[in-house]
Amino acid sequence: DAKTTQPNSMESNEEEPVHLPCNHSTISGTDYIHWYRQLPSQGPEYVIHGLTSNVNNRMASLAIAEDRKSSTLILHRATLRDAAVYYCILRVTSYDKVIFGPGTSLSVIP
Amino acid sequence: DAGVTQSPTHLIKTRGQQVTLRCSPKSGHDTVSWYQQALGQGPQFIFQYYEEEERQRGNFPDRFSGHQFPNYSSELNVNALLLGDSALYLCASSLGGGGPSTDTQYFGPGTRLTVL
Repeated sequence: DAKTTQPNSMESNEEEPVHLPCNHSTISGTDYIHWYRQLPSQGPEYVIHGLTSNVNNRMASLAIAEDRKSSTLILHRATLRDAAVYYCILRVTSYDKVIFGPGTSLSVIP
Repeated sequence: DAGVTQSPTHLIKTRGQQVTLRCSPKSGHDTVSWYQQALGQGPQFIFQYYEEEERQRGNFPDRFSGHQFPNYSSELNVNALLLGDSALYLCASSLGGGGPSTDTQYFGPGTRLTVL
């Protein structure tokens, strides 16, 4: 299975942008990059996904490197409710096992 | 529109017992996946059910088994419980034929299983 690496933890000040990196150097041409996050005491929730082009939605933006070996999840203005563990995942088909790594634990400082 | 629901929310069992956890998928979803999440770790994939068949399986022993019903709800069964089976068990639903570009997984709140 393709793998991703993320920093264990990051901190951000409230109302500032946050850039969460993910490395996926073994990504193949058909792998989609998905991001999920898990708030305390909840199940993971979908954030965003993309293939080659940068993507935006109401929650975040996803910036994908030109060689696709890395990507960055961008939270434009961090709030206290964004404190969570963020997971970067690669998927080829809907049949794939969803492989979660340890993720990045984001702390937001008021 | 109800999201993914799981029951029970908490469960305490003793070693050697058997347990059944239940999951109802989000309306319109036909695929159910189960995950085990130990404290401080990411979720670990157990298996996925689609059209009442196990379609994918992670590295879990045969003590872990499942079932999907015609209404797409699912059960996870664990036999001969071990202390190490204590974890949060998550269920996620999705559309099976959508492909990775549309295959968003919706997770339930989980069942907290404690094995004594």
